[in-house]
Amino acid sequence: NAGVTQTPKFQVLKTGQSMTLQCAQDMNHEYMSWYRQDPGMGLRLIHYSVGAGITDQGEVPNGYNVSRSTTEDFPLRLLSAAPSQTSVYFCASSYSIGDRGSTEAFFGQGTRLTVV
Amino acid sequence: SQQGEEDPQALSIQEGENATMNCSYKTSINNLQWYRQNSGRGLVHLILIRSNEREKHSGRLRVTLDTSKKSSSLLITASRAADTASYFCASRPSGTYKYIFGTGTRLKVLA
Repeated sequence: NAGVTQTPKFQVLKTGQSMTLQCAQDMNHEYMSWYRQDPGMGLRLIHYSVGAGITDQGEVPNGYNVSRSTTEDFPLRLLSAAPSQTSVYFCASSYSIGDRGSTEAFFGQGTRLTVV
Repeated sequence: SQQGEEDPQALSIQEGENATMNCSYKTSINNLQWYRQNSGRGLVHLILIRSNEREKHSGRLRVTLDTSKKSSSLLITASRAADTASYFCASRPSGTYKYIFGTGTRLKVLA
């Protein structure tokens, strides 16, 4: 049971390049989400998914795309990297977030992205 | 911005003392959670409190929730050097599937 696995751990991109940050969980969790963490800003929600085939925007979705073709995987795509996207990215999953009740979120170890 | 706010931004105490940090949020919520983050690492869940609960305990942690003031507090009793970390609250606005994080409190416990 690996929990939430993010790859890569570090990445340097040039402005305009695209890339995909990978996130996988092996806990059969319904809910997955992506956050970015910038100094002094806490975590801000980029996109989230409540199940396979269902995604929605968070607070700061511009410049990012997601898809959820399987329960396990929730990749985050940067379409055309900009220096403003330099940040630490965290993926999280939780068993449920429905009206029946929410459960704790498990976080990956993060991807540190630098765009030059 | 929808972000919640936490205060203080930073807190430095001696080992054995209690640490209190506060979180405010902007809309009615379904529940609120507290997380700890050690430097450069992922977040670890501490405690979840639902909107119909006023207080919850877990070991040395005590969380309160005041929905009328849209605020929550986390108390760590008898702090240890290992409690040194950043602490974040995350609120789930009612009717949404989002969690909105606060800006965090950096706690330093001096041995």
